[in-house]
Amino acid sequence: RKEVEQDPGPFNVPEGATVAFNCTYSNSASQSFFWYRQDCRKEPKLLMSVYSSGNEDGRFTAQLNRASQYISLLIRDSKLSDSATYLCVVKPGGGADGLTFGKGTHLIIQP
Amino acid sequence: GAVVSQHPSWVICKSGTSVKIECRSLDFQATTMFWYRQFPKQSLMLMATSNEGSKATYEQGVEKDKFLINHASLTLSTLTVTSAHPEDSSFYICSAPRTASYEQYFGPGTRLTVT
Repeated sequence: RKEVEQDPGPFNVPEGATVAFNCTYSNSASQSFFWYRQDCRKEPKLLMSVYSSGNEDGRFTAQLNRASQYISLLIRDSKLSDSATYLCVVKPGGGADGLTFGKGTHLIIQP
Repeated sequence: GAVVSQHPSWVICKSGTSVKIECRSLDFQATTMFWYRQFPKQSLMLMATSNEGSKATYEQGVEKDKFLINHASLTLSTLTVTSAHPEDSSFYICSAPRTASYEQYFGPGTRLTVT
């Protein structure tokens, strides 16, 4: 079983739509969770951290369910510039540990 | 602006040669840096943890004699791909965490093509 699993997509959605991604992770002892965005042939950039209480940053909402080992990302009012690959990322410990990346979900926003 | 730089951005080399990639933290000191590799349509995979002043820690399946890591200062880690072969062609990315927050900052990556 892969450590972090995501649906690779691609998800083709019209501009203005709401879209949701999910991922699951296998290591129940994982401490920290993130969503990163990666544009084609570029480095990943942190989109937001994910907490059990849920957190929101503008049009983006992330949620963590530790019991189910499930992480979600919701994008509202999608923009053309949201087209990218969204990476679900898990960190095993609380300190300076290497990150475990999912394969990413490819999102294409259509005009 | 960028807080982690990486050089070169891309490199094409012949099979059998060695290639050195540099990762620098620009405005903070990093006792730990991480090296990742990403093949096309695959996830970033952690290769090794670079520790300033001590030996690197390699992930399972990564050959330490092939991927030499040197973390000689608090702002510089280097990855040398020795005797490169076409299957080593990949996107190599480093990251460095800030001590206070542990948020990791990624370099822009180095695209290696071995012919």
